[in-house]
Amino acid sequence: RKEVEQDPGPFNVPEGATVAFNCTYSNSASQSFFWYRQDCRKEPKLLMSVYSSGNEDGRFTAQLNRASQYISLLIRDSKLSDSATYLCVVNNNNDMRFGAGTRLTVKP
Amino acid sequence: NAGVTQTPKFQVLKTGQSMTLQCAQDMNHNSMYWYRQDPGMGLRLIYYSASEGTTDKGEVPNGYNVSRLNKREFSLRLESAAPSQTSVYFCASREVGNSPLHFGNGTRLTVT
Repeated sequence: RKEVEQDPGPFNVPEGATVAFNCTYSNSASQSFFWYRQDCRKEPKLLMSVYSSGNEDGRFTAQLNRASQYISLLIRDSKLSDSATYLCVVNNNNDMRFGAGTRLTVKP
Repeated sequence: NAGVTQTPKFQVLKTGQSMTLQCAQDMNHNSMYWYRQDPGMGLRLIYYSASEGTTDKGEVPNGYNVSRLNKREFSLRLESAAPSQTSVYFCASREVGNSPLHFGNGTRLTVT
């Protein structure tokens, strides 16, 4: 079993839709969690850290469920510019592992 | 504000050749990382250095060696390149604790 697993998608949604991604992790001792965004042929860029109590940044909400060992990302009111690959990252004692990424396409 | 700088940006090697990918960061970060990304896939961790003087294997270390030259620099060496090592290589750094990764622009390597 991979340490970090994501549904690869693709997710194709219309503008204005709400879309959610999940990411599961295998090591219950993992300390910190992140969501990154990657555009085609570019380096990943930090979208947001994921805090235990959940956190929001504009249209983006991240949640952590330690009991079930998953993190989620919710995007509300999707924009065309949200089209990208979304990657979850899990930190286990400085060993930072990525999920395979979920491809999102927002259509007009 | 250079952040994380990787060189070269592109490289073509023949099977069996060796090369070193260079990475430097100017953010005084303690930890540095090397990842590879193959088409349509996420990033896979090759090696990391949690602090100056230490290195650890990631999930795909075979065929690679690393050197943490000092706090700023972390190099990745391919001793005998193979076509399976054709990939995009990303270097990243981060501070200790729960801080996120900061990435370089990547090196596109083709082994023929």
